[in-house]
Amino acid sequence: DSGVTQTPKHLITATGQRVTLRCSPRSGDLSVYWYQQSLDQGLQFLIQYYNGEERAKGNILERFSAQQFPDLHSELNLSSLELGDSALYFCASSVTGATNEKLFFGSGTQLSVL
Amino acid sequence: GENVEQHPSTLSVQEGDSAVIKCTYSDSASNYFPWYKQELGKGPQLIIDIRSNVGEKKDQRIAVTLNKTAKHFSLHITETQPEDSAVYFCAASKGNYQLIWGAGTKLIIKP
Repeated sequence: DSGVTQTPKHLITATGQRVTLRCSPRSGDLSVYWYQQSLDQGLQFLIQYYNGEERAKGNILERFSAQQFPDLHSELNLSSLELGDSALYFCASSVTGATNEKLFFGSGTQLSVL
Repeated sequence: GENVEQHPSTLSVQEGDSAVIKCTYSDSASNYFPWYKQELGKGPQLIIDIRSNVGEKKDQRIAVTLNKTAKHFSLHITETQPEDSAVYFCAASKGNYQLIWGAGTKLIIKP
């Protein structure tokens, strides 16, 4: 168990809808990352937060947004969903957010857009 | 920008044999190289990492080697066991830049 909690584990929705994925980082970790993993694909970095502030942005679509709250949990909002958004979404956390620091990944949220 | 290529995409080895996965990177300024293991239904987990001031690092059956001149680094797993079956990802980073990930290698251990 990595200590990172993601909910829900599975999400099935329709095209055009909006969903929210939730992540609770390990106790003591200040930085949260969101990654997307499509079928048989690698890990695509979406966005990173550190102590409530956005630190780095990757290939995140404009339809997607995220935030980190004062209690350090994070939410990833996906709107106007398309079939191609179906993927496994991972949250990871680290202590300081330094790029040469160990990442602790949650078990992911499997999103299916029908 | 940085690019990380990982080979092979699939590797099948007999239980007890060794497995080697290789990654090449493009940015000579990269200085941190982790390896993550992703088991089915789980998130990736760091298994070993190496920094550019070290040429080799070992942890029990797992070792990573770094060749800065050739800009490649490799994961070596000896005496493979069924529980080594997983997808392995390499990555590279420098300074304040985010990790750039390889595409992954599916390792299959045949009994």
